[in-house]
Amino acid sequence: DAKTTQPNSMESNEEEPVHLPCNHSTISGTDYIHWYRQLPSQGPEYVIHGLTSNVNNRMASLAIAEDRKSSTLILHRATLRDAAVYYCILKSGGSNYKLTFGKGTLLTVNP
Amino acid sequence: DAGVIQSPRHEVTEMGQEVTLRCKPISGHNSLFWYRQTMMRGLELLIYFNNNVPIDDSGMPEDRFSAKMPNASFSTLKIQPSEPRDSAVYFCASSFSGEQFFGPGTRLTVL
Repeated sequence: DAKTTQPNSMESNEEEPVHLPCNHSTISGTDYIHWYRQLPSQGPEYVIHGLTSNVNNRMASLAIAEDRKSSTLILHRATLRDAAVYYCILKSGGSNYKLTFGKGTLLTVNP
Repeated sequence: DAGVIQSPRHEVTEMGQEVTLRCKPISGHNSLFWYRQTMMRGLELLIYFNNNVPIDDSGMPEDRFSAKMPNASFSTLKIQPSEPRDSAVYFCASSFSGEQFFGPGTRLTVL
């Protein structure tokens, strides 16, 4: 599996935007970029995914570099509920559903 | 839908005892995953099923671990005999089109 690199931790203030970076320089052409997050004492939850184009949904936006070697998860207005570990994961296309979780980024949101 | 259901939520047992963890996936999902999470090793995929058939069990630590999926609505993960190093949170997840939905987890403590 291609690897991803994320900062161990980041801090943000409530109601400010947050940009969570992820490097994946060995990404292959068929790898999708997935983001999951894990709130304290809960299972991970899906946030967003993309292949080449930027993506938006109700939770976040995903900005993908033109060369696809990096991406950024954007939370437009952080809330206290967004405090979690955020995982950037590369997943092969096709029928292989395997996800390999790294250490992720622990996001702290200050009131 | 109630989401992925896991039972029990907490299990405390003594070394050498058999432990059975249970999972009910979301109705209509055709893939099921068992993960284990510890502070030291993070979130690890143990095994995953597609259409009730085990596809990849390379993450199963050893022969003491076994998993079954007798039908589309039920799966078990069994540890026999259990050891203190098996203490962890075990998550079950299900999927239909790629996005995985995680259950609340079972916190296992082996004394």
